[in-house]
Formats: sequence, C-alpha cells, structure tokens
Amino acid sequence: GAVVSQHPSRVICKSGTSVKIECRSLDFQATTMFWYRQFPKQSLMLMATSNEGSKATYEQGVEKDKFLINHASLTLSTLTVTSAHPEDSSFYICSARDTGRTGTGELFFGEGSRLTVL
Amino acid sequence: GEDVEQSLFLSVREGDSSVINCTYTDSSSTYLYWYKQEPGAGLQLLTYIFSNMDMKQDQRLTVLLNKKDKHLSLRIADTQTGDSAIYFCAEKRADGLTFGKGTHLIIQP
Repeated sequence: GAVVSQHPSRVICKSGTSVKIECRSLDFQATTMFWYRQFPKQSLMLMATSNEGSKATYEQGVEKDKFLINHASLTLSTLTVTSAHPEDSSFYICSARDTGRTGTGELFFGEGSRLTVL
Repeated sequence: GEDVEQSLFLSVREGDSSVINCTYTDSSSTYLYWYKQEPGAGLQLLTYIFSNMDMKQDQRLTVLLNKKDKHLSLRIADTQTGDSAIYFCAEKRADGLTFGKGTHLIIQP
C-alpha cells in the first residue's frame, strides 16, 4: 500500500526557534498534500493544502507566515513552524493523495509529529 | 449543520461487536471513509464505501450506508484489544475530505 513517512516523529524545541517537519510519499507521487493539526481528544484541523510547484492554500485563521509550507517535489512537502511558542505544541499530521489514483479520493497519512515547545 | 457527527466514546467487551455510527451532511458525497488512529500515530485507512453501495464487508469489518438518512456505520465483529483506537469517519466533498471528531473505542476485558 501507499506509504507516507513523516519526520521527525517527536521534537522538543525552545521557544523562539523554528522547527521543520517533513512529509514524504515513499512509493507514489503526490501533487497535493495536506497538513493537519490535532489537539488532544479532538479531530483533525486542516491547516493548509500543499500544492507541488505552487503556493500552499491556507485555511482561515492559519497564519501563513507562522506555518511555512514548501512542496518542492512530487514526493516531499515540508512544514516549518517559525518562532515557535508553547501554544504551538501539538500533534501535526500530513496526508497525501496519490496522483495516479485520484478516483476514490482516499488520503494516506503520515505517522504524525509531536511538537513540544518549552 | 456542516459537521460530520460521531459519538465521542464507545465502550464494548472483548469479543462483542462494536458499532460506530456517523452522520454526514453532503448528499452528493461520492465516497465515505473510516480511518483508525492508534495512540500517538497517524491515521490508517480502514475501509471506504462508494455512495451507490449500501453495504461493504471486509473480514471483521462491515460498513453500512443509509443515504436517505446520511448515516454511516462501522461494525467490528469479535472486538479485540488491538481494536482500541480512535475511529474517524470522513466524507469526500468537492473541496476535500471532511472528518468527524472521532469515536474512542474502549475495550473492556
């Protein structure tokens, strides 16, 4: 099956620093990837849609300068949390849609990255 | 409303069947999905059903779809401790997938 790899799985950083999270589709190409944030015992909150070769589309209320998204290739999207603060601590999950089989619309998810900002 | 609705918790005894329910909103949704999330992990697609079907069975999983009521259910037969997780239903809308808040399935010994 299609595999999405997310790295790092856990990261702890100091307040004010920037953290980059990578999302890779390992055995398929993904022109579209999605970044979610998940709070404890809550559902996924879509942050942005990452489009290969173009700017990401951010959901309302998500600061694009705070959460930088780069989708430089068909298999890699990165999310950089800039000047992180404790309130940015969360579980970040990416997903990707297989460009080769868009009919079902199913998404393949990474394992998630737990960010803790001290 | 615009939300995909699920109960937050379901508790069942090991060996019993679990039935997780979901109501969705968009009658034009073509696909509906069930995802499983184990603690500290991402989401894993369990199964999906096309909107012109009313039932799909895959081993211990049975999905029922009632389009008239916009109701989707996931039945897990012979529930095991490894089934303990959060189960999300999702509907495919024109602008992407919309998820419910997830149902925590708790297994009692």
